[in-house]
Amino acid sequence: LAKTTQPISMDSYEGQEVNITCSHNNIATNDYITWYQQFPSQGPRFIIQGYKTKVTNEVASLFIPADRKSSTLSLPRVSLSDTAVYYCLVGDPVNQGGKLIFGQGTELSVKP
Amino acid sequence: SAVISQKPSRDICQRGTSLTIQCQVDSQVTMMFWYRQQPGQSLTLIATANQGSEATYESGFVIDKFPISRPNLTFSTLTVSNMSPEDSSIYLCSVGGGERQEGYTFGSGTRLTVV
Repeated sequence: LAKTTQPISMDSYEGQEVNITCSHNNIATNDYITWYQQFPSQGPRFIIQGYKTKVTNEVASLFIPADRKSSTLSLPRVSLSDTAVYYCLVGDPVNQGGKLIFGQGTELSVKP
Repeated sequence: SAVISQKPSRDICQRGTSLTIQCQVDSQVTMMFWYRQQPGQSLTLIATANQGSEATYESGFVIDKFPISRPNLTFSTLTVSNMSPEDSSIYLCSVGGGERQEGYTFGSGTRLTVV
């Protein structure tokens, strides 16, 4: 399984764009990149998933360079409610028995 | 996406006792998993709950300590047996289709404190 490396913590202010980068040098050909968000006292919640280039949804954008050895989660104009832990997951559920393997995550703190 | 009801939401237990955590899903799901999240830490996969057969445990977790049942496609239980303070954690169940990581849903967790 590809190992992921993320910053342990990040600080931001309301209204700013936040970019969280995840390194996954050993990503395999069939691996997807998925980001989850976890608020205190809640289970993780799916944010976005991609395989290559750029993916955008109503919550975030995910940028994946051509070599796929890293990815960047972009949160536009964050608010206080975006304070959470963000996890980058890399893997291929078909060959992992459907399992999700979590790394350490990035604790994002948004300040007023 | 599936909706998960996990019970209890929290409990305080005496060491040496056991606690059974329930995970009820509002639809039939292929894959069900149990995770542990120790204070301030990330999630660690305990096991895959297999319908109609024994659960598949990850390294470091054994059936005697964490027996799991999955009698059907909408329900599973995790028991934390012979508890010690080191078992104090949040336990979460998760469900997914198994084909893509997208759309996996997590329960809100059971916060267990062992005293």
